[in-house]
Amino acid sequence: AQSVTQLDSQVPVFEEAPVELRCNYSSSVSVYLFWYVQYPNQGLQLLLKYLSGSTLVESINGFEAEFNKSQTSFHLRKPSVHISDTAEYFCAVMDSGAGSYQLTFGKGTKLSVIP
Amino acid sequence: DTGVSQDPRHKITKRGQNVTFRCDPISEHNRLYWYRQTLGQGPEFLTYFQNEAQLEKSRLLSDRFSAERPKGSFSTLEIQRTEQGDSAMYLCASSPRDGVEAFFGQGTRLTVV
Repeated sequence: AQSVTQLDSQVPVFEEAPVELRCNYSSSVSVYLFWYVQYPNQGLQLLLKYLSGSTLVESINGFEAEFNKSQTSFHLRKPSVHISDTAEYFCAVMDSGAGSYQLTFGKGTKLSVIP
Repeated sequence: DTGVSQDPRHKITKRGQNVTFRCDPISEHNRLYWYRQTLGQGPEFLTYFQNEAQLEKSRLLSDRFSAERPKGSFSTLEIQRTEQGDSAMYLCASSPRDGVEAFFGQGTRLTVV
C-alpha cells in the first residue's frame, strides 16, 4: 500500500519569500501525483498534477512541483508567496497501473504567510 | 458548470442516531468517491463507484456505513448508530471518464454528540 509523507506540518514564511513544501511517497511503481490546497472549512482544490511527460509541472498561480522518481519525491515550490497562499496543502499519490483510482494523501502542510 | 455538491454542509447528531449525506457529482463524471477527513489528517479513502457499481471499499468502511449510487448519478452515504469517533468531514469527489484527477466537493462536517 502506498503512503505519503509530508515532513513539515507547519511552514511559516514571510510574504514575497520563496517556499518549498516537501512530499515523499513510499513506492517506486508507476504513479500519478497531485497537490491539493484546502482553505478553512472548504473542500480540496486541485493545484497541480503529474501524470506523465515533463517532470516539472506548474499551476496557474505560480506554484510548481517536480517529480523525482529516484527520490520518490514531488516537492511543491513557489518563488514568491502571497498572503492569499495561506492554506493547507496536501500531497496525494495514485498507483497508475493498479486499475484503482484511490488517492492516498499525506497529513498536510499548513502554510502561513506572514505580512 | 457546477462543481461537486454535498448536502448538508453541517450535521450535528446524537450518538446512536442514523445520518445520511448526499453527493451530486459534476455532470457526466462517471466515477464518484467518498473520503473521510479527521482533524489534523489528510483525507482517507472510503469507497468508490464507477457509474452505479461500487468497485472498492476501504476496511475503514465498517458495517455501519453504507453507500449507494442507484442510477449512476448522485450518491448517498449512510452511517447507522453513529459513534463519537464518526465525527469528521466527509468529502465526496468525482472524476471524468477520460481523466484521473478527482474534483472535490466542500464536504459535510459531521459532529456526533
